[in-house]
Amino acid sequence: TQLLEQSPQFLSIQEGENLTVYCNSSSVFSSLQWYRQEPGEGPVLLVTVVTGGEVKKLKRLTFQFGDARKDSSLHITAAQPGDTGLYLCAGAREETSGSRLTFGEGTQLTVNP
Amino acid sequence: DTEVTQTPKHLVMGMTNKKSLKCEQHMGHRAMYWYKQKAKKPPELMFVYSYEKLSINESVPSRFSPECPNSSLLNLHLHALQPEDSALYLCASSQSIGQPQHFGDGTRLSIL
Repeated sequence: TQLLEQSPQFLSIQEGENLTVYCNSSSVFSSLQWYRQEPGEGPVLLVTVVTGGEVKKLKRLTFQFGDARKDSSLHITAAQPGDTGLYLCAGAREETSGSRLTFGEGTQLTVNP
Repeated sequence: DTEVTQTPKHLVMGMTNKKSLKCEQHMGHRAMYWYKQKAKKPPELMFVYSYEKLSINESVPSRFSPECPNSSLLNLHLHALQPEDSALYLCASSQSIGQPQHFGDGTRLSIL
C-alpha cells in the first residue's frame, strides 16, 4: 500500500494552462516537501510546508498543506515549458527507527510550447 | 549547481567488480542519505547516517556497504552487484534527520 498517493501520474498540457497536482495520505506528517526532478539530475527542493492549512507561493507555484497535515496540493498557474519535470511530494514522519521521508510516486508533467 | 557533489556521474561495472560511489557536502549538514532510483519512479531510501553513525538500513543487501568517514563525506561500496541493481544512486543531506533534504545529481550505475 502506497503511503502517499500522488495524482495524476502523468500530465501533458499546453503552455499557458493551469494545473493542480495532489498528494494524499491517511497518515499525518510532521512536514511535507515538494521536489522537482529533471532528467539526469537529482530532485530539487521547491518548498517545505509544516503547519496545517499553510499556503506558500513560489512565483507561479502555490503549495497548500491540508488542515489535518495528511494531504497537500501544488497548483501551477500559466505553465511554461520550463516547468516540465517529475514532481515529487515527500512526507516526513517520526518512526521508532528515526525520522524518514516517504515519497509519492511522482507526477510527470510535460508542458508543450 | 547542486551543493551535494556525487562522483562518478556514470559507472559501468561487471558483476564481479568492486567500486565505490562518493558523495560530498560542505553545508555542515549532519544527516546524509543514500537512495536508489529506477526510471520514472520515486527515490527509495537505502541508508541514513546521523552524526556519522548509521541510523537506518532499509534491509539493503550486503553487496552494498555504506561508509561515512567524516561529516562531509559519504561512500557507498559496491561488490558483486546484480543487473537489477542498475539504477540512479542519489545522495542527499540535511541539517539533521527529518529536515528538508538536498540531493546530488546522482551516479548512473549500469551493471553488465
